[in-house]
Amino acid sequence: DAGVTQSPTHLIKTRGQHVTLRCSPISGHKSVSWYQQVLGQGPQFIFQYYEKEERGRGNFPDRFSARQFPNYSSELNVNALLLGDSALYLCASSITPTTYEQYFGPGTRLTVT
Amino acid sequence: TQLLEQSPQFLSIQEGENLTVYCNSSSVFSSLQWYRQEPGEGPVLLVTVVTGGEVKKLKRLTFQFGDARKDSSLHITAAQPGDTGLYLCAARNSGGSNYKLTFGKGTLLTVNP
Repeated sequence: DAGVTQSPTHLIKTRGQHVTLRCSPISGHKSVSWYQQVLGQGPQFIFQYYEKEERGRGNFPDRFSARQFPNYSSELNVNALLLGDSALYLCASSITPTTYEQYFGPGTRLTVT
Repeated sequence: TQLLEQSPQFLSIQEGENLTVYCNSSSVFSSLQWYRQEPGEGPVLLVTVVTGGEVKKLKRLTFQFGDARKDSSLHITAAQPGDTGLYLCAARNSGGSNYKLTFGKGTLLTVNP
């Protein structure tokens, strides 16, 4: 079975622009979570979606938004990009929101210049 | 906010040596996970521990969950260069926000041949 896939793998944007990152979960997994990992830190929780509804939100500004589609894939959107948004954005899927095991994708490396 | 403290932050050893890394918090966890992450990749789940005092073994890796479910350790026996990577612990609260994982900053392990 395919693992979690994310696209694109790398992205370079300019301050003030908008970006959309995409994630496809493992087949049969209905919950998707998004994390931001800046260099030298552990991943930080941004959002969790389950059955197309937001189930949790981390301490991130309203510039960050997400959604989940009927096929359980998900998009993360970031508006008005700042230099500090440069990071590895990770998507993780699990069967349900409270299933212990979450499986991570390879991430999207976003660089904001 | 639950904080996870990992130590040491960096560890460089020779092939064949043993090592232990630690994950501590003042909060009680409902579960704790260990991941390994290689550069430019997403974290890969190694183990989930749920019960206080639980010990799990995965080949040369031994994971222990503290009796009070506030701390955990990872011991590697006879380390190999392939063990090189960032080791992250992640936990869920035992309280309300059970949907998200909180990560430590990680221990960066380098095993030299």
